[in-house]
Amino acid sequence: GAVVSQHPSRVICKSGTSVKIECRSLDFQATTMFWYRQFPKQSLMLMATSNEGSKATYEQGVEKDKFLINHASLTLSTLTVTSAHPEDSSFYICSASGGLVAKNIQYFGAGTRLSVL
Amino acid sequence: AQTVTQSQPEMSVQEAETVTLSCTYDTSESDYYLFWYKQPPSRQMILVIRQEAYKQQNATENRFSVNFQKAAKSFSLKISDSQLGDAAMYFCAYRSPGVGDKIIFGKGTRLHILP
Repeated sequence: GAVVSQHPSRVICKSGTSVKIECRSLDFQATTMFWYRQFPKQSLMLMATSNEGSKATYEQGVEKDKFLINHASLTLSTLTVTSAHPEDSSFYICSASGGLVAKNIQYFGAGTRLSVL
Repeated sequence: AQTVTQSQPEMSVQEAETVTLSCTYDTSESDYYLFWYKQPPSRQMILVIRQEAYKQQNATENRFSVNFQKAAKSFSLKISDSQLGDAAMYFCAYRSPGVGDKIIFGKGTRLHILP
């Protein structure tokens, strides 16, 4: 299967700071990337969908000014949590699809555990 | 709107035995994709198996196979010869056929493997 790299795997930050998470498709061109949030013992909650070169589409209830998503190239999308607060602490996962390798399939990164102090 | 239901929050199976995880979904579309993803303790989501709705033949991947009943909107996963490494959370998922369409996940089934 296709490989999606997500970095960092864990980040601890102080309240009020911003954190950037990167998601890269390593062996295919990801025309679409997705960002999820997962609370303990729960399923994945889709936050937003981003297509290369265009603005992300956010799910209802997700603050787009809080969670900035950039998908500037076919292999990289970033999620920036701005002015992070303790309630933003969570597990964030990205996925990517596109090209022949990942057509109609989402391949996932390993996730980022964000802890805001 | 499409929905995915996994009615078994947890299941246990003896090592080397066979277990079946249930999944039902609701949709008015005739063409779509169904998936089973595995999330082990590392929390890395791993694609286990996928099924295209227009294909009548059930998908298989080594020890993993599905029972796809389109009319009943059922998509169960059978794991044969269960191994300790199969212990994980399993998510059933639905995707519409459009390019870039999002996946709808079920709530998951936690599978325990008993040695």
